[in-house]
Amino acid sequence: DTGVSQNPRHKITKRGQNVTFRCDPISEHNRLYWYRQTLGQGPEFLTYFQNEAQLEKSRLLSDRFSAERPKGSFSTLEIQRTEQGDSAMYLCASSLGASPYGYTFGSGTRLTVV
Amino acid sequence: AQTVTQSQPEMSVQEAETVTLSCTYDTSESDYYLFWYKQPPSRQMILVIRQEAYKQQNATENRFSVNFQKAAKSFSLKISDSQLGDAAMYFCAYRRQETSGSRLTFGEGTQLTVNP
Repeated sequence: DTGVSQNPRHKITKRGQNVTFRCDPISEHNRLYWYRQTLGQGPEFLTYFQNEAQLEKSRLLSDRFSAERPKGSFSTLEIQRTEQGDSAMYLCASSLGASPYGYTFGSGTRLTVV
Repeated sequence: AQTVTQSQPEMSVQEAETVTLSCTYDTSESDYYLFWYKQPPSRQMILVIRQEAYKQQNATENRFSVNFQKAAKSFSLKISDSQLGDAAMYFCAYRRQETSGSRLTFGEGTQLTVNP
């Protein structure tokens, strides 16, 4: 197992376009989290899944954002009608339950909306 | 809501010296976890050290140790014998101790520079 994998590493898109990111967690981890990190700031929670169920969503996750984890394995985060304010690093992390050891993070997808 | 504050946007240290990064947090919970994560330019967040709030003993991991002051809601990170590879952004993070929700709340980060 090579850890949490995120694709693509970078994405440049025009304002108004839709984008989709993928996260492959560590295989035995049942929890998967999405965070957004803007330049010079700490990551902010967006949403998390336990298996295929989306259990919590932040107010940051507007109607233009949707996340899925259809089979409890990989997850996708889609942003519709992108805006310049969506430019950020999108981080995925996974854990085995409410692990006291925190999460394992991926390297993130950097989105630039032009 | 829980908040985490890192009041030092930037810190620098000479190689082989010791540096302390500060973190304070606000919570009404009595049981929780605190973490320090390192984010190098490669971007992947790496867990450095963790502390359970119910433990009075400060956590240590090799050259990394914490000073956990529960009453003061303070959680500082000490890096001893600093190495060039320690240069990174460091984030303090808080998590409630519960089985249903487990979001991490992060501070703003401290950029650490290690000078040779």
